[in-house]
Amino acid sequence: DQQVKQNSPSLSVQEGRISILNCDYTNSMFDYFLWYKKYPAEGPTFLISISSIKDKNEDGRFTVFLNKSAKHLSLHIVPSQPGDSAVYFCAASRSGGYNKLIFGAGTRLAVHP
Amino acid sequence: GAVVSQHPSRVICKSGTSVKIECRSLDFQATTMFWYRQFPKQSLMLMATSNEGSKATYEQGVEKDKFLINHASLTLSTLTVTSAHPEDSSFYICSATPDRGSNEKLFFGSGTQLSVL
Repeated sequence: DQQVKQNSPSLSVQEGRISILNCDYTNSMFDYFLWYKKYPAEGPTFLISISSIKDKNEDGRFTVFLNKSAKHLSLHIVPSQPGDSAVYFCAASRSGGYNKLIFGAGTRLAVHP
Repeated sequence: GAVVSQHPSRVICKSGTSVKIECRSLDFQATTMFWYRQFPKQSLMLMATSNEGSKATYEQGVEKDKFLINHASLTLSTLTVTSAHPEDSSFYICSATPDRGSNEKLFFGSGTQLSVL
């Protein structure tokens, strides 16, 4: 039973354009969502998060949008850069981010010149 | 940022042998460490939560006698896959936090690819 789903295993975007990575969840008890980025041979690193009391959180080129009614969140990267090429994991938790994480399978983003 | 070191990065072993994977927090004391497993094209699945000085808490469906976890110090947790079988072949990754529970302060190791022949 996958509670967090990233239905696109890969995404290819041209440098300078917007990258949109999507994530769906099924458990309405989730109230905190996080995105992690993973480069080859390295562990995932925290990128950005959002609480369920918000519908948008922005940090530089990265913005996360949350649609609670649709149980959907997305990560927007604008403008995309070649260094953004990595695997992006969506994760969800309950209790305001102080609980175990449920991960999606990841989306591999390739930003090409 | 904080560094979590995981070794080995890759291990190949024969069926029936045991394999130990180490997870070390290099520049902070980790009260809590987590162990995950990822099969190809699937999610990172939490296997167990390891708290220093106490028994690990295993997720449903994870055999505690097969996946032995020891968190003997604030900087080291080990996962031992006992009597490994080909179906145990997977990517294992640990994470650690200096701040009990905060997911934004969760730092990951680089993972261990286990192949059981």
